[in-house]
Amino acid sequence: EAQVTQNPRYLITVTGKKLTVTCSQNMNHEYMSWYRQDPGLGLRQIYYSMNVEVTDKGDVPEGYKVSRKEKRNFPLILESPSPNQTSLYFCASSSPVGKREGRETQYFGPGTRLLVL
Amino acid sequence: SQQGEEDPQALSIQEGENATMNCSYKTSINNLQWYRQNSGRGLVHLILIRSNEREKHSGRLRVTLDTSKKSSSLLITASRAADTASYFCAPDGGSNYQLIWGAGTKLIIKP
Repeated sequence: EAQVTQNPRYLITVTGKKLTVTCSQNMNHEYMSWYRQDPGLGLRQIYYSMNVEVTDKGDVPEGYKVSRKEKRNFPLILESPSPNQTSLYFCASSSPVGKREGRETQYFGPGTRLLVL
Repeated sequence: SQQGEEDPQALSIQEGENATMNCSYKTSINNLQWYRQNSGRGLVHLILIRSNEREKHSGRLRVTLDTSKKSSSLLITASRAADTASYFCAPDGGSNYQLIWGAGTKLIIKP
């Protein structure tokens, strides 16, 4: 079954304690992306990756890091979480990536609810 | 960057009625997609319409695209309680990989 998985689904942590949210897709997609969703603000893109070892900042990258060492995985790292990073996080993937084609259907993970105390 | 803005922000209708949501964007696109999100869950792709298409159907969904007005609409016919969700449009220009999503239209179907 084609899917995007995220772990953990729920996480409560404290300010400053480094954490990683994993994202994995089994569709061989080139493009992967992380979003955060906050009430009234819709989805905001944090980072995206066009392929292995290629990552770029989205709209709200501050306080986050990502890596893309393998095509299927795109972890989101919070080196020193703060309460303003309390949010609902989504990972998504799609293919193809091209100036003429744009993205095809984006597949979203189930979301990770993060609470930073 | 591409940005889709949905209108209205919220829509409440009776079951069985049709629901229409609109999306506006600012720059040229290769395609435009609509997604649905049930409360607190991941987004689910509904339909993709390419820039050279004007209308597309999928079951009870009908999407139109007017590139001259930079707008799209999503029509859900014969609404059901299960259609209660937030709906987002995602215009994709292709040349810029940064996507900015709107706040969506929150649709409530009353039984």
